[in-house]
This record gives sequence, structure tokens and C-alpha cells, in this order.
Amino acid sequence: AQSVTQPDIHITVSEGASLELRCNYSYGATPYLFWYVQSPGQGLQLLLKYFSGDTLVQGIKGFEAEFKRSQSSFNLRKPSVHWSDAAEYFCAVSGAGGFKTIFGAGTRLFVKA
Amino acid sequence: DTEVTQTPKHLVMGMTNKKSLKCEQHMGHRAMYWYKQKAKKPPELMFVYSYEKLSINESVPSRFSPECPNSSLLNLHLHALQPEDSALYLCASSQGIRQVTYNEQFFGPGTRLTVL
Repeated sequence: AQSVTQPDIHITVSEGASLELRCNYSYGATPYLFWYVQSPGQGLQLLLKYFSGDTLVQGIKGFEAEFKRSQSSFNLRKPSVHWSDAAEYFCAVSGAGGFKTIFGAGTRLFVKA
Repeated sequence: DTEVTQTPKHLVMGMTNKKSLKCEQHMGHRAMYWYKQKAKKPPELMFVYSYEKLSINESVPSRFSPECPNSSLLNLHLHALQPEDSALYLCASSQGIRQVTYNEQFFGPGTRLTVL
């Protein structure tokens, strides 16, 4: 079955501390992987994507993610979190030639001063 | 222009009303999507249009009626909705599978719908 698991429903991080959000996927074909961020009441903004090539991908706002095929993971990282990073983060996967994107349940990030 | 716009931002309607949500993109994308998102949940796919033809309907009730008048516009017509239909409705677009094999979607800001 195709699925995306984000094990952490919510995470609290101090401002300036590092961040890692976990994502595991199950997909029968070559996966195309995405991280989106959503502020309250807003649409989803694409942070970064992985299609092929270098397994460490850089995104916007200082985020990066590493694709590990052996672990079926695509974890999102940021070295130093800012208060404005507080939001909901969704990991997602899709495949070649299809319209459907499978989203994880999301991880809510809280940032404390 | 890498923007997907949606109007209105907020909509309150009664169960007997008829209203429409509008979505527009000028990125030359040929696939457009409607999603429904309840609070604290991921988006749920409702409809996909590819090259102005309905490609996917995820068993959505007929009180939701999509329309794609041209490649830049996507509408969602609403009639006789129920209070449980209250949600954030998101529109998205992507290049289209004839052009690329991956499905990078660009999302609009959404319409917050409340059904009384």
C-alpha cells in the first residue's frame, strides 16, 4: 500500500535550535518526494522536492532534506529555527505519470522563545 | 507569475444557497486540482482536470460540481451543502503529465467555507 508516515504529530523547538522532522514512505515505484509548509488558514507552500540525483536537497527558507532509499525516509532539517517557522509541515509522495499525491498526516511545529 | 489565486477568501452560506469558488493560474499549467482540507488534517483530493477534461473524481457528492472553462480557470459550484462540508478548499495546478513525469503542485491560499 502507498502511504506516508509522519511519526510526530507535533514538535516543540527553541528558537535557534536545530530541527528534524521525520517522514517515512511506502511506494511501489520510483517516488517523487515533497515537503510542504502551511501556516494557519493558508495554502501549502513547497519547501523542497526530490526527483532524482543528489540525495541531499536544498529548499527555501534554509531547509534541507535527505532521501535515504534504504530506510524509505525523507527527513526535513534546518540548522537554526526561527519563530516564523512555526507552522504545519506535510511530507508527500507521488509517482511518475500520475496526478495523485499522497500526503502524510502532518507535523505541527511550535517554536518557543 | 508562479501564483495560484482563489476567490473568495471566505464564504459563509446556508444549506439552500448556490455559490461558486473560483481558481485561476497563469503558469501555463494543464492540470488543475480541487482539495478539501479539514482542520488539523492533510488535504484530501476531490477532483483533477487534465487538459480541461475531468480526469479524477474521488467519489465526491454531487452537491459539488467542478467546471474547467479554460486552461487557466477552475470553478467549484456548490449547492445544498451540509454543515460538515465546512472546510478550507484548496486549488492547485501542475504542468500536466504529458509534459513532465513528476507532479509538482502549486497551491492557492484557499477559500474558507462555512456552511450554516
